[in-house]
Amino acid sequence: NAGVMQNPRHLVRRRGQEARLRCSPMKGHSHVYWYRQLPEEGLKFMVYLQKENIIDESGMPKERFSAEFPKEGPSILRIQQVVRGDSAAYFCASSPRLNTGELFFGEGSRLTVL
Amino acid sequence: DQQVKQNSPSLSVQEGRISILNCDYTNSMFDYFLWYKKYPAEGPTFLISISSIKDKNEDGRFTVFLNKSAKHLSLHIVPSQPGDSAVYFCAASGAQGGSEKLVFGKGTKLTVNP
Repeated sequence: NAGVMQNPRHLVRRRGQEARLRCSPMKGHSHVYWYRQLPEEGLKFMVYLQKENIIDESGMPKERFSAEFPKEGPSILRIQQVVRGDSAAYFCASSPRLNTGELFFGEGSRLTVL
Repeated sequence: DQQVKQNSPSLSVQEGRISILNCDYTNSMFDYFLWYKKYPAEGPTFLISISSIKDKNEDGRFTVFLNKSAKHLSLHIVPSQPGDSAVYFCAASGAQGGSEKLVFGKGTKLTVNP
């Protein structure tokens, strides 16, 4: 009965490279959310997806960031041409249905941009 | 524009005493409030929640109080235990028509001393 699985746990990239973060939701959960936590900040909503659909991407930066949740496989958060300001912890969460906010979070992927 | 505010970055209490964590919000459209607990290098875990139509919710040692007129909520932990030492995030949902998007405060680091 695995929880939300994120990988990699730690990722180091140089400026200009691409970062791909993966998230497998809990079994039976069809709703996936990505949040970002900058140093000394709270978590900020980025995107909400269901299988093959982006439902709400209002928290995603307009450029370089994209997310997907394909029919098969994990959800992917992709950051192109990373910059130092992208250094953060990226948390994925899932839920079995649209609910009142009780989400199950993964352990996060910590991205460091050199 | 911080809609959910936790004005105390840290709190230190003695084991067995009460811990009170506070949270203020600005958006009166929020209809659900939650507390998440986070240990270092782990994802947040859901602790307790309260609907905006209630003023109190209790679960074991944890009680959340909501004062809608003051736009204020608090989490009481009685008695506090060393294992409660963690960062506590206040979160709110529902303001933008969908309850899937959580707005988090910056967190309060609670230390319970033996």
